[in-house]
Amino acid sequence: DAGVTQSPTHLIKTRGQHVTLRCSPISGHKSVSWYQQVLGQGPQFIFQYYEKEERGRGNFPDRFSARQFPNYSSELNVNALLLGDSALYLCASSHSETHTQYFGPGTRLTVL
Amino acid sequence: TQLLEQSPQFLSIQEGENLTVYCNSSSVFSSLQWYRQEPGEGPVLLVTVVTGGEVKKLKRLTFQFGDARKDSSLHITAAQPGDTGLYLCAGVGGWGKLQFGAGTQVVVTP
Repeated sequence: DAGVTQSPTHLIKTRGQHVTLRCSPISGHKSVSWYQQVLGQGPQFIFQYYEKEERGRGNFPDRFSARQFPNYSSELNVNALLLGDSALYLCASSHSETHTQYFGPGTRLTVL
Repeated sequence: TQLLEQSPQFLSIQEGENLTVYCNSSSVFSSLQWYRQEPGEGPVLLVTVVTGGEVKKLKRLTFQFGDARKDSSLHITAAQPGDTGLYLCAGVGGWGKLQFGAGTQVVVTP
Protein backbone atom coordinates (compact mmCIF):
# COMPACT_ATOMS: atom_id res chain seq x y z
CA ASP A 1 0.00 0.00 0.00
CA ALA A 2 1.13 3.53 -0.71
CA GLY A 3 2.20 5.65 2.22
CA VAL A 4 1.25 9.24 2.90
CA THR A 5 1.88 11.38 -0.16
CA GLN A 6 2.41 15.14 -0.25
CA SER A 7 2.63 17.63 -3.08
CA PRO A 8 4.53 19.51 -4.18
CA THR A 9 7.87 18.29 -2.82
CA HIS A 10 9.48 21.71 -3.08
CA LEU A 11 8.05 25.19 -3.43
CA ILE A 12 9.53 28.68 -3.64
CA LYS A 13 7.35 31.71 -2.91
CA THR A 14 7.90 35.39 -2.18
CA ARG A 15 6.72 37.33 0.85
CA GLY A 16 3.03 38.21 0.81
CA GLN A 17 2.02 35.37 -1.50
CA HIS A 18 -0.19 32.48 -0.48
CA VAL A 19 0.45 28.76 -0.78
CA THR A 20 -1.59 25.55 -0.81
CA LEU A 21 -0.02 22.26 0.23
CA ARG A 22 -1.71 18.92 -0.37
CA CYS A 23 -1.73 15.61 1.45
CA SER A 24 -3.18 12.20 0.62
CA PRO A 25 -3.45 9.85 3.62
CA ILE A 26 -2.87 6.13 3.70
CA SER A 27 -5.93 4.30 2.39
CA GLY A 28 -8.41 3.76 5.22
CA HIS A 29 -6.99 6.49 7.44
CA LYS A 30 -9.54 9.12 8.47
CA SER A 31 -7.32 11.48 10.50
CA VAL A 32 -4.79 13.91 9.06
CA SER A 33 -2.43 16.15 11.02
CA TRP A 34 -0.13 18.93 9.83
CA TYR A 35 3.22 19.86 11.35
CA GLN A 36 5.78 22.59 10.62
CA GLN A 37 9.46 21.72 10.99
CA VAL A 38 11.84 24.66 10.90
CA LEU A 39 15.48 23.83 10.18
CA GLY A 40 17.20 22.60 13.34
CA GLN A 41 13.96 22.09 15.25
CA GLY A 42 11.49 19.30 15.82
CA PRO A 43 8.05 19.35 14.14
CA GLN A 44 5.47 21.74 15.62
CA PHE A 45 1.78 20.77 15.57
CA ILE A 46 -0.43 22.97 13.36
CA PHE A 47 -3.77 21.19 12.81
CA GLN A 48 -5.52 17.86 13.20
CA TYR A 49 -8.60 16.82 11.23
CA TYR A 50 -10.76 13.76 11.76
CA GLU A 51 -13.76 12.90 9.62
CA LYS A 52 -13.53 16.33 7.98
CA GLU A 53 -13.77 18.20 11.29
CA GLU A 54 -11.00 20.19 12.96
CA ARG A 55 -10.03 18.39 16.17
CA GLY A 56 -7.06 20.44 17.25
CA ARG A 57 -5.12 23.56 16.41
CA GLY A 58 -1.61 24.53 17.45
CA ASN A 59 -0.27 27.98 18.29
CA PHE A 60 -0.23 29.36 14.75
CA PRO A 61 -1.73 32.60 13.41
CA ASP A 62 -4.97 32.77 11.45
CA ARG A 63 -2.93 33.01 8.23
CA PHE A 64 -2.78 29.23 8.52
CA SER A 65 -5.90 27.28 7.61
CA ALA A 66 -6.70 23.76 6.53
CA ARG A 67 -9.51 21.52 5.46
CA GLN A 68 -10.19 17.85 4.90
CA PHE A 69 -12.16 16.54 1.95
CA PRO A 70 -14.71 13.67 1.76
CA ASN A 71 -11.96 11.34 0.48
CA TYR A 72 -9.93 12.28 3.62
CA SER A 73 -7.23 14.11 1.68
CA SER A 74 -6.29 17.49 3.10
CA GLU A 75 -5.00 20.93 2.15
CA LEU A 76 -2.98 23.36 4.23
CA ASN A 77 -3.24 27.00 3.18
CA VAL A 78 -0.94 29.78 4.30
CA ASN A 79 -1.72 33.42 3.40
CA ALA A 80 0.50 36.50 3.46
CA LEU A 81 3.68 34.45 3.59
CA LEU A 82 6.52 35.63 5.84
CA LEU A 83 10.19 34.70 5.66
CA GLY A 84 9.70 32.77 8.91
CA ASP A 85 7.22 30.45 7.22
CA SER A 86 10.12 28.78 5.41
CA ALA A 87 10.09 25.21 6.69
CA LEU A 88 9.36 21.57 5.96
CA TYR A 89 5.62 20.99 6.21
CA LEU A 90 4.76 17.46 7.25
CA CYS A 91 1.46 15.65 6.93
CA ALA A 92 0.67 12.59 9.03
CA SER A 93 -2.29 10.22 8.80
CA SER A 94 -3.77 7.71 11.22
CA HIS A 95 -6.84 5.51 11.55
CA SER A 96 -8.27 7.80 14.24
CA GLU A 97 -7.15 10.68 16.41
CA THR A 98 -5.35 8.47 18.90
CA HIS A 99 -3.76 5.86 16.66
CA THR A 100 -0.18 5.81 15.44
CA GLN A 101 0.59 8.60 12.98
CA TYR A 102 2.45 7.88 9.75
CA PHE A 103 4.31 10.79 8.23
CA GLY A 104 4.71 11.77 4.61
CA PRO A 105 8.01 13.04 3.16
CA GLY A 106 6.98 16.66 3.56
CA THR A 107 6.85 19.76 1.38
CA ARG A 108 9.88 22.04 1.57
CA LEU A 109 8.64 25.67 1.42
CA THR A 110 11.11 28.47 0.88
CA VAL A 111 9.89 32.06 1.21
CA LEU A 112 12.13 34.72 -0.34
CA THR B 1 8.92 26.48 22.01
CA GLN B 2 9.93 22.86 22.63
CA LEU B 3 8.46 21.43 25.82
CA LEU B 4 10.70 18.40 25.51
CA GLU B 5 14.44 18.93 25.80
CA GLN B 6 16.77 16.54 24.04
CA SER B 7 20.48 16.14 24.65
CA PRO B 8 22.95 16.19 23.17
CA GLN B 9 21.99 18.21 20.10
CA PHE B 10 24.65 16.49 17.99
CA LEU B 11 26.57 13.24 18.35
CA SER B 12 29.31 11.92 16.08
CA ILE B 13 30.73 8.47 16.77
CA GLN B 14 32.63 5.67 15.08
CA GLU B 15 30.99 2.47 13.94
CA GLY B 16 30.86 -0.06 16.79
CA GLU B 17 30.64 2.50 19.59
CA ASN B 18 27.65 2.89 21.92
CA LEU B 19 25.57 6.05 22.35
CA THR B 20 22.77 7.38 24.53
CA VAL B 21 20.29 10.14 23.73
CA TYR B 22 18.17 11.80 26.43
CA CYS B 23 14.71 13.35 26.41
CA ASN B 24 13.47 15.37 29.40
CA SER B 25 10.22 17.18 30.10
CA SER B 26 8.70 19.19 32.93
CA SER B 27 5.32 17.72 31.96
CA VAL B 28 3.94 14.23 32.37
CA PHE B 29 2.78 12.54 29.22
CA SER B 30 0.47 9.55 28.92
CA SER B 31 2.99 8.05 26.52
CA LEU B 32 6.18 9.01 24.75
CA GLN B 33 7.38 8.09 21.29
CA TRP B 34 10.78 7.96 19.62
CA TYR B 35 11.19 8.65 15.90
CA ARG B 36 14.08 8.62 13.45
CA GLN B 37 14.11 11.08 10.56
CA GLU B 38 16.44 10.90 7.56
CA PRO B 39 17.09 13.76 5.10
CA GLY B 40 14.19 14.34 2.70
CA GLU B 41 11.85 12.08 4.64
CA GLY B 42 9.27 12.34 7.39
CA PRO B 43 9.84 10.93 10.88
CA VAL B 44 9.43 7.16 11.24
CA LEU B 45 8.12 5.76 14.52
CA LEU B 46 10.57 3.50 16.38
CA VAL B 47 8.76 2.82 19.64
CA THR B 48 6.02 3.96 22.03
CA VAL B 49 6.58 3.74 25.79
CA VAL B 50 3.59 3.99 28.09
CA THR B 51 4.37 2.70 31.58
CA GLY B 52 6.73 4.44 34.01
CA GLY B 53 9.94 2.42 34.32
CA GLU B 54 9.25 0.59 31.07
CA VAL B 55 12.16 -0.74 29.02
CA LYS B 56 11.73 -1.76 25.38
CA LYS B 57 14.30 -3.28 23.07
CA LEU B 58 14.35 -3.09 19.30
CA LYS B 59 17.37 -5.07 18.07
CA ARG B 60 20.35 -2.88 19.10
CA LEU B 61 18.15 -0.04 20.38
CA THR B 62 17.03 0.12 24.03
CA PHE B 63 14.38 2.61 25.14
CA GLN B 64 13.64 3.54 28.76
CA PHE B 65 10.75 5.56 30.19
CA GLY B 66 11.39 7.23 33.54
CA ASP B 67 9.42 6.19 36.61
CA ALA B 68 7.68 9.58 36.70
CA ARG B 69 6.92 9.43 32.94
CA LYS B 70 8.73 12.73 32.34
CA ASP B 71 12.01 11.53 30.88
CA SER B 72 13.25 8.90 28.50
CA SER B 73 16.45 7.63 26.96
CA LEU B 74 17.50 5.83 23.81
CA HIS B 75 20.63 3.68 23.89
CA ILE B 76 22.19 2.24 20.74
CA THR B 77 24.67 -0.59 21.09
CA ALA B 78 27.41 -1.12 18.50
CA ALA B 79 26.20 1.70 16.25
CA GLN B 80 26.28 1.22 12.49
CA PRO B 81 26.32 3.82 9.68
CA GLY B 82 22.66 2.95 9.01
CA ASP B 83 21.81 4.38 12.44
CA THR B 84 22.69 7.85 11.19
CA GLY B 85 19.73 10.21 11.40
CA LEU B 86 17.81 12.75 13.47
CA TYR B 87 16.33 11.11 16.57
CA LEU B 88 13.20 12.82 17.87
CA CYS B 89 11.22 12.18 21.03
CA ALA B 90 7.56 13.18 21.17
CA GLY B 91 5.08 13.34 24.01
CA VAL B 92 1.57 12.18 23.10
CA GLY B 93 -1.11 14.61 24.23
CA GLY B 94 -4.86 14.91 23.81
CA TRP B 95 -6.35 13.73 20.50
CA GLY B 96 -3.01 12.15 19.69
CA LYS B 97 -1.31 15.53 19.29
CA LEU B 98 2.47 15.07 19.26
CA GLN B 99 4.80 17.50 21.02
CA PHE B 100 8.32 16.99 19.69
CA GLY B 101 11.73 17.78 21.08
CA ALA B 102 14.31 19.55 18.91
CA GLY B 103 16.02 16.27 18.10
CA THR B 104 19.50 14.79 18.35
CA GLN B 105 21.48 14.50 15.12
CA VAL B 106 23.49 11.25 15.20
CA VAL B 107 26.29 10.60 12.71
CA VAL B 108 27.96 7.18 12.65
CA THR B 109 31.09 6.99 10.52
CA PRO B 110 32.58 3.73 9.21
